Formats: sequence, structure tokens, C-alpha cells
Amino acid sequence: GQQVMQIPQYQHVQEGEDFTTYCNSSTTLSNIQWYKQRPGGHPVFLIQLVKSGEVKKQKRLTFQFGEAKKNSSLHITATQTTDVGTYFCAGPEDNAGGTSYGKLTFGQGTILTVHP
Amino acid sequence: NAGVTQTPKFQVLKTGQSMTLQCAQDMNHNSMYWYRQDPGMGLRLIYYSASEGTTDKGEVPNGYNVSRLNKREFSLRLESAAPSQTSVYFCASSEGWAAWSNQPQHFGDGTRLSIL
Repeated sequence: GQQVMQIPQYQHVQEGEDFTTYCNSSTTLSNIQWYKQRPGGHPVFLIQLVKSGEVKKQKRLTFQFGEAKKNSSLHITATQTTDVGTYFCAGPEDNAGGTSYGKLTFGQGTILTVHP
Repeated sequence: NAGVTQTPKFQVLKTGQSMTLQCAQDMNHNSMYWYRQDPGMGLRLIYYSASEGTTDKGEVPNGYNVSRLNKREFSLRLESAAPSQTSVYFCASSEGWAAWSNQPQHFGDGTRLSIL
């Protein structure tokens, strides 16, 4: 079945350092979503990428969707303690060309800790 | 506007007991989902409901049943709890889907379930 893999699993940074997490799918994705989960909280939608090679920015966060639509990345510039949490990518479930009915396959997530 | 509401927030069960996790959304969303989250495993889909009156299995349905009571409510039932079902359970909802995109999923605060 479809697999969505994220690396690294953990990342510890000093405040002010940059951070990147990578997401790789075993199948071509029609779109990809990113979520953030604060410690003890629930996942919160950040952004969706649809087009091949798409780049979107949200303040210090930069999201990219690969040309082949099989990988994606999230880059945070100059991390802050408020960036702490787990970042998940998620792609539509592959139903062999059929509709995913909104279902998503989530990566395992990257846990980011930021030392002040 | 409460979004997605889950009850209870915490529960401890003994092996073999049954219980129902409740979920309600007030965003008039068509699709609803139940996930479990275990350390290092990301979010795994248990069951989903693409629209009122329909339910279908996700990645890990064994040991669970669901009911889409109406458009607002989607419950998850454990008929005979097992220690392997100790997890954090999240309910989510979304407007639905399109051929090229998935609507963002909105998550509840989760139910932390321990089975002894």
C-alpha cells in the first residue's frame, strides 16, 4: 500500500537555527497537506500544495512540493520556541486512480524541539 | 463555534470492557474520520464516513465499530477493549473532497484511552 515517510524523526535545534523536514511518498500525490501538533494538542492544518514544483510561504515557514509530486519539504527559518511540536505531512490515499474520498495517509511526523 | 468536540477526554478501561467515544462537529462537514495516534506511528485511520449514512474501514479497523448517527455525529465503539488499543484517539472532519484536492481536516482535542 501507499507509504508516506518523513525524515528526520526527531530534530533538536538551538533557537535561531533553521529546521527542515522532508516527506517522501511511494506514489505520486495529487496534493499534499502539512499539519502541526503542539505537545499535548491536536493536529492543526497549516497548508496544502497542489501543483508540481509549488512553493508557498507562511512567514518563516517555506513549503515545497516536488516536481514529480512524490516529495515535499517544510523549512523553518530562524526557529523560535513557539515552533516546538510535531510536523506531519499527509497525502490522499492512493485508490489506484479512484477518489480518496478525502482520506489522508499521514507520515510518522518530525518532532521538533527548540532550545532557548 | 466549537469545531470538533470529543468526549470523554480521558478514560481508563479494564480489558474486555466496552465503551463508545463520541464526536460531534458543528461546521456542517460531510466527511468525518477516526484516527489513533501511537508514538512513532503518526496518525492511522481507523474508520471514516465520506457522507451521512456511509461508513468504511480505514487502515486499522479491527476491534472497532462506528456509527454515523447524523451529519454532525460520528461515534467509535470498542466492543471488548484490549491493551493494544491503548492510544490517543482523534476525531476529524472535513467539507469533503474534489478530484484534485482534499479539504483540510479539522481535529478534535482527542481522547486519551488506557486499557489495563
